[in-house]
Amino acid sequence: DSGVTQTPKHLITATGQRVTLRCSPRSGDLSVYWYQQSLDQGLQFLIQYYNGEERAKGNILERFSAQQFPDLHSELNLSSLELGDSALYFCASSPPRGGRGDTQYFGPGTRLTVL
Amino acid sequence: GESVGLHLPTLSVQEGDNSIINCAYSNSASDYFIWYKQESGKGPQFIIDIRSNMDKRQGQRVTVLLNKTVKHLSLQIAATQPGDSAVYFCAEKGGGSNYKLTFGKGTLLTVNP
Repeated sequence: DSGVTQTPKHLITATGQRVTLRCSPRSGDLSVYWYQQSLDQGLQFLIQYYNGEERAKGNILERFSAQQFPDLHSELNLSSLELGDSALYFCASSPPRGGRGDTQYFGPGTRLTVL
Repeated sequence: GESVGLHLPTLSVQEGDNSIINCAYSNSASDYFIWYKQESGKGPQFIIDIRSNMDKRQGQRVTVLLNKTVKHLSLQIAATQPGDSAVYFCAEKGGGSNYKLTFGKGTLLTVNP
């Protein structure tokens, strides 16, 4: 158990809908990262937040957005869902800078199925 | 573009043998590398890491080797066990303030009893 929690574990929805995925980082970690894992694309970095502020963006679609709240949990919002958005979505967290600050610890993921 | 790739997509070994999983990277500025293990239905699990100022690091039954000259990374698993069966990913972190991890496509390790 990495200490990173994600809810829900599974999500089934229809095209055009909007969903919210939730992540709680490990205690003391300030950074949260979101990744998408699909069969054909592998693990792709979406976005990073550090202590409430957006730090880096990857291959995140405009239909997707995220935020990190004062208690450091994060939410990934996916809207106007398409069949191709079906994937595993992982959250990872890392400690404050210095020492182990580069190591990312992953949660169990949310499996999104768009029908 | 910059990428991290794996030489072998699948590896099958006998229980008790040593396993070697390889990874090539192309970003010479990468300063940190991690190996993750992902079992079916689970998130990637941290195994071992290495910084670019080192060429070898050992953990419990695992060793990571880094060859910066040829931009190559390997994970050695000693006395492979059935529980080691999983997909193994290497990931690299770009240098400086770039904290994004770039993942390779993964190698499926199957351990035969």
